[in-house]
Amino acid sequence: QQQVKQSPQSLIVQKGGISIINCAYENTAFDYFPWYQQFPGKGPALLIAIRPDVSEKKEGRFTISFNKSAKQFSLHIMDSQPGDSATYFCAARHLNDYKLSFGAGTTVTVRA
Amino acid sequence: KAGVTQTPRYLIKTRGQQVTLSCSPISGHRSVSWYQQTPGQGLQFLFEYFSETQRNKGNFPGRFSGRQFSNSRSEMNVSTLELGDSALYLCASSLDRADTQYFGPGTRLTVL
Repeated sequence: QQQVKQSPQSLIVQKGGISIINCAYENTAFDYFPWYQQFPGKGPALLIAIRPDVSEKKEGRFTISFNKSAKQFSLHIMDSQPGDSATYFCAARHLNDYKLSFGAGTTVTVRA
Repeated sequence: KAGVTQTPRYLIKTRGQQVTLSCSPISGHRSVSWYQQTPGQGLQFLFEYFSETQRNKGNFPGRFSGRQFSNSRSEMNVSTLELGDSALYLCASSLDRADTQYFGPGTRLTVL
């Protein structure tokens, strides 16, 4: 079963708008939460990552918000651009065996 | 520094055959993980190798196997191919087991 639940499955946003993708987990043994971006025909590329002792991390137009008590984290893409159109995966890494569990992915389409 | 390379990029096989996929990690990276990506199941962990030893294994049948060489290059093998094995097989490398994983472009396997 999916250890990391990701929503929505897809979203469409206008250029300049904000894209928000949410993830939730149950296993408290996760200690590292990366987000990957994947374009068609390519492998996933690391976008941004956060550890549970930090509530927010920002890199350029991409921000992760982390709520440890709720076991939820989200990716915000500010000022969305057509080049951001891709599939985004959240993931969680187990602290003991370092295995990454991935969410199901969110396909983001940015309309010009 | 060159990224993770995977060969071949595309492969077509028939049921019952076997296949070997190759992965060359980023120079200096010692950990290699393999994932299967399908539209229905998303990204699923196959196994992880570090120092030529399998450290983790996902929930896949014994037809899926792998190995790692002394130069950290890795191969995975699938025997007695089934139609359901059609997928994108991704390799990811990291400096050490607990470090960020960087993905290759994948090998697209089609089983007819």
